[in-house]
Amino acid sequence: EVQLVQSGAEVKKPGESLKISCKGSGYIFTTYWIGWVRQMPGKGLEWMGIIYPGDSDTRYSPSFQGQVTFSADKSLTTAYLQWSSLKASDTAVYYCARQGYFDSYGLEHDAFDLWGQGTMVTVSS
Amino acid sequence: DIQMTQSPSSLAASVGDRVTITCRASQIVSSHLNWYQQKPGKAPRLLVYAATRLHSGVPSRFSGSGSGTDFTLTISSLQPEDFATYYCQQSFSTWTFGQGTKVEIK
Repeated sequence: EVQLVQSGAEVKKPGESLKISCKGSGYIFTTYWIGWVRQMPGKGLEWMGIIYPGDSDTRYSPSFQGQVTFSADKSLTTAYLQWSSLKASDTAVYYCARQGYFDSYGLEHDAFDLWGQGTMVTVSS
Repeated sequence: DIQMTQSPSSLAASVGDRVTITCRASQIVSSHLNWYQQKPGKAPRLLVYAATRLHSGVPSRFSGSGSGTDFTLTISSLQPEDFATYYCQQSFSTWTFGQGTKVEIK
């Protein structure tokens, strides 16, 4: 089965570090970009950026550049999202998603076609 | 960044109604526009890519239209399982999502 499975919910204190994971299976993990999306409580979706597990090329949204780090381990078919010092405002659900490629009238289009189940991160003193 | 603005932010409709959600980009994104559906406590699901193309397995009552800066998602006959929040997303440059449109039961 083609799927992305994320690590479980986390409760952390401000200032602590954290690394959450997203394991892909059922497809060639190294040939699709993996994106990260934040959803703060009761709010909409925010695109954080993407990583290409084949060579760990990364692209960050300007809003998240310097705030988080993406990484990937090809041998484990797993992507990671990490923080070095959490803030209360990092409290959110974080989704990983596969960036699929679609052809429409000869042009390539990208969209998130496969999603993980989400990881709830709670940061509270 | 390209800003995506959806309207309305929420709407109330009945089963069988035709529902239209609009999405406007702050600059031209050509047809690099996707639509997602999200139900409470669940991950989003891709409905439409490239502005008009229905993703595999999505019912034909959903359709997308538009190009350039103005786009529309239409549900031709609303079904009980369609009550959810819908997001547009541009994939033209440094992807961004719209703020969402919540479709509620009237």
